[in-house]
Amino acid sequence: EIVLTQSPATLSLSPGERATLSCRASQSVSNFLAWYQQKPGQAPRLLIYDASNRATGIPARFSGSGSGTDFTLTISSLEPEDFAIYYCQQGSNWYTFGQGTKLEIK
Amino acid sequence: EVQLLESGGGLVQSGGSLRLSCAASGFTFSSDWMHWVRQAPGKGLVWVARINIDGSRTNYADPVKGRFTISRDNAKNTLYLQVNSLGAEDTAVYYCTRGVTGAFDYWGRGTLVTVSS
Repeated sequence: EIVLTQSPATLSLSPGERATLSCRASQSVSNFLAWYQQKPGQAPRLLIYDASNRATGIPARFSGSGSGTDFTLTISSLEPEDFAIYYCQQGSNWYTFGQGTKLEIK
Repeated sequence: EVQLLESGGGLVQSGGSLRLSCAASGFTFSSDWMHWVRQAPGKGLVWVARINIDGSRTNYADPVKGRFTISRDNAKNTLYLQVNSLGAEDTAVYYCTRGVTGAFDYWGRGTLVTVSS
């Protein structure tokens, strides 16, 4: 099983700041890496697929990069609605998710 | 607008069974692989099962193999998950989701399964 490790576990930032979230895979997943946002009581929402492609309707402030084992989700300038939990997920060898990064307001 | 609406969850005793359903609309259901993903209370996301477009191929995560069965009725635009021999570790919100190039692009709101001992 491919293990995804996300860091940091919690990220405390203020609106307007830049957020950088990391996801490391235990073995290469090529570019089969996705990012999701989840708010309390809601289903996850796909943000990024294939490592760097924004999903339909996702604002341009969200961007993804990386390949192989190291990936990054960047939010260029945080909006109040961006504070949530973010998960990475690989689809190269079955499907596994990272444990999540909680993005909280500082 | 794509919509996925799960139902069928509830409180069940350990060892019991449930049939979860997911009604799909807003897209050509019969053209897409479908999946179930679950999330235990306060925990992360875990993939459970998938089914191909005509229902001829199914795959399961190891913890549910032999106990869960995924199926679909393309005439009714509905996805199912039969869950048997439930244990406390199966307590979770179960999400129906559409697969796309190794990711999941649309999700339902989920249905909660609670297993009591």
